Amino acid sequence: DGGITQSPKYLFRKEGQNVTLSCEQNLNHDAMYWYRQDPGQGLRLIYYSQIVNDFQKGDIAEGYSVSREKKESFPLTVTSAQKNPTAFYLCASSMGQGAREQYFGPGTRLTVT
Amino acid sequence: AQSVTQPDIHITVSEGASLELRCNYSYGATPYLFWYVQSPGQGLQLLLKYFSGDTLVQGIKGFEAEFKRSQSSFNLRKPSVHWSDAAEYFCAVGVREYGNKLVFGAGTILRVKS
Repeated sequence: DGGITQSPKYLFRKEGQNVTLSCEQNLNHDAMYWYRQDPGQGLRLIYYSQIVNDFQKGDIAEGYSVSREKKESFPLTVTSAQKNPTAFYLCASSMGQGAREQYFGPGTRLTVT
Repeated sequence: AQSVTQPDIHITVSEGASLELRCNYSYGATPYLFWYVQSPGQGLQLLLKYFSGDTLVQGIKGFEAEFKRSQSSFNLRKPSVHWSDAAEYFCAVGVREYGNKLVFGAGTILRVKS
């Protein structure tokens, strides 16, 4: 069954700790994306990667970091520098250059207290 | 800058009634447009998309949308709503200059009353 998996579904952390969210896809897609969702604001792009070992900042990259060492994986680290990390995080992928529609994972809800 | 406006935060319709969700976009070039649906606590599912050609596009679950360039709109419609359609709906525009990132509207929450 092809798809995008995100783990865990719920994540709790104390303020000041870094936390890494997992995103894996077996769709053989080249491009991967991280979005943040807050109530009433839609989704906003954090980072994206169009090929392995390359990634670009999105609209709200401050306080986040990513890596893309494998085609299947695009982990997101929420650092202690992110001022308001509590949110719902969604990973997406698309076939790659020229591809237009994105397919989304189930999301991870991060709560920082 | 690119933007998407969904003017209605909440909409309530009766089961069996017709539905129209509004979406207006701002984008300099010919847009790629999408509608996604999200159930609470879940990811987004693609309902339909517009890239070019016929301005009336059909999607899954009986949804359709019409692209109107003159009005910069891409409204979503369904002739008869089912209780299972209750969810949040997002309109998005694809930005080719930034890796085809999606710029989303704030969403419209659909409630269906029986």
